[in-house]
Amino acid sequence: NAGVTQTPKFRILKIGQSMTLQCAQDMNHNYMYWYRQDPGMGLKLIYYSVGAGITDKGEVPNGYNVSRSTTEDFPLRLELAAPSQTSVYFCASSYSTQGAPHEQYFGPGTRLTVT
Amino acid sequence: KNEVEQSPQNLTAQEGEFITINCSYSVGISALHWLQQHPGGGIVSLFMLSSGKKKHGRLIATINIQEKHSSLHITASHPRDSAVYICAVTGNQFYFGTGTSLTVIP
Repeated sequence: NAGVTQTPKFRILKIGQSMTLQCAQDMNHNYMYWYRQDPGMGLKLIYYSVGAGITDKGEVPNGYNVSRSTTEDFPLRLELAAPSQTSVYFCASSYSTQGAPHEQYFGPGTRLTVT
Repeated sequence: KNEVEQSPQNLTAQEGEFITINCSYSVGISALHWLQQHPGGGIVSLFMLSSGKKKHGRLIATINIQEKHSSLHITASHPRDSAVYICAVTGNQFYFGTGTSLTVIP
């Protein structure tokens, strides 16, 4: 199993550009998550999904969009990049029992710089 | 005020020492997680617990639901344990502590 994969590893964007961060998992997990980690700060949840076709906002969703058309893929879209979105982005997945998520498996992260 | 507080923020230990990292939370939770983030940035889940105690190798995690407190212990610490340890809770939302940076000196 590849686990959770993310692409790209690094990206530099100009203000106002858009891009999609890709995330895929091959563990058949129903839960998937997107986090951002700013320097010296904790992880913050952007969006999450409890299954294909279902997404919900986390703590910091503004400026981002997600979709979950398949169990495996959970792309994160930045429409109008702003310097405040400079961060490291982590995707994660987990399975759940009776609606409660279990341990999360994290991707390697995408380092995004907006200038 | 953060929903999850960790202490200490930074910790330096000699190889072989017993290490304790603390986590306190202020919200209702269904589970508490301990994560490890290595200098390269990769994040690994160490434990998920909702009561009692779990042990994996030299790592032990405990939780006291009434006191809203958890501890992560590392016995016989080793330089390869050097990492950032993150406490996270899941309840209505997901909350993360800012992490404890551990350096183990040979």
